[in-house]
Amino acid sequence: DVKVTQSSRYLVKRTGEKVFLECVQDMDHENMFWYRQDPGLGLRLIYFSYDVKMKEKGDIPEGYSVSREKKERFSLILESASTNQTSMYLCASGGGGYYNQPQHFGDGTRLSIL
Amino acid sequence: KNEVEQSPQNLTAQEGEFITINCSYSVGISALHWLQQHPGGGIVSLFMLSSGKKKHGRLIATINIQEKHSSLHITASHPRDSAVYICAVRPQETSGSRLTFGEGTQLTVNP
Repeated sequence: DVKVTQSSRYLVKRTGEKVFLECVQDMDHENMFWYRQDPGLGLRLIYFSYDVKMKEKGDIPEGYSVSREKKERFSLILESASTNQTSMYLCASGGGGYYNQPQHFGDGTRLSIL
Repeated sequence: KNEVEQSPQNLTAQEGEFITINCSYSVGISALHWLQQHPGGGIVSLFMLSSGKKKHGRLIATINIQEKHSSLHITASHPRDSAVYICAVRPQETSGSRLTFGEGTQLTVNP
């Protein structure tokens, strides 16, 4: 089974801090994704990466950056955390290929910015 | 207007009932996914459809490409089916493997 592991289930940080969320997958997938999930808004794509050192902005990239130095690891960075970034963050990998393979999700990180 | 609309937003059923969740989308797609999210956050993929119908256990997913509509059915529902069900589409015109998600349907099955 594909395993997508997010570094923390719960995280509490303060306004202005630099926050790192880490995601590791074990299936050699080229595609990796970062989403945030908010009540009433569903899942929204922040950034995705289709190869090492390659990234593309999603629908809501403002206030975030990403890093993909190794194929298995995709990091989301909140440069200067703000309270409106309090949310559930989900990482996913996969979803590529001619046959529309599914994305595999991590368990999520519930981030609170105080 | 969202590209992917789900109905209902919330659904409460009694154990054993037949359940239907609907998904309508407004763009051409190459695939449609049904996902399940249990309390605590983890999301699993249930089905991926580009045409017709798929069945897995008590779950059935159908898609009508011409009408841009999909349904997820649960037969003989059980309290362990309680979860958020999410419809997502892979638009034909987006790059890579990007998905567009519906807001989800919260299903509660009471014993």
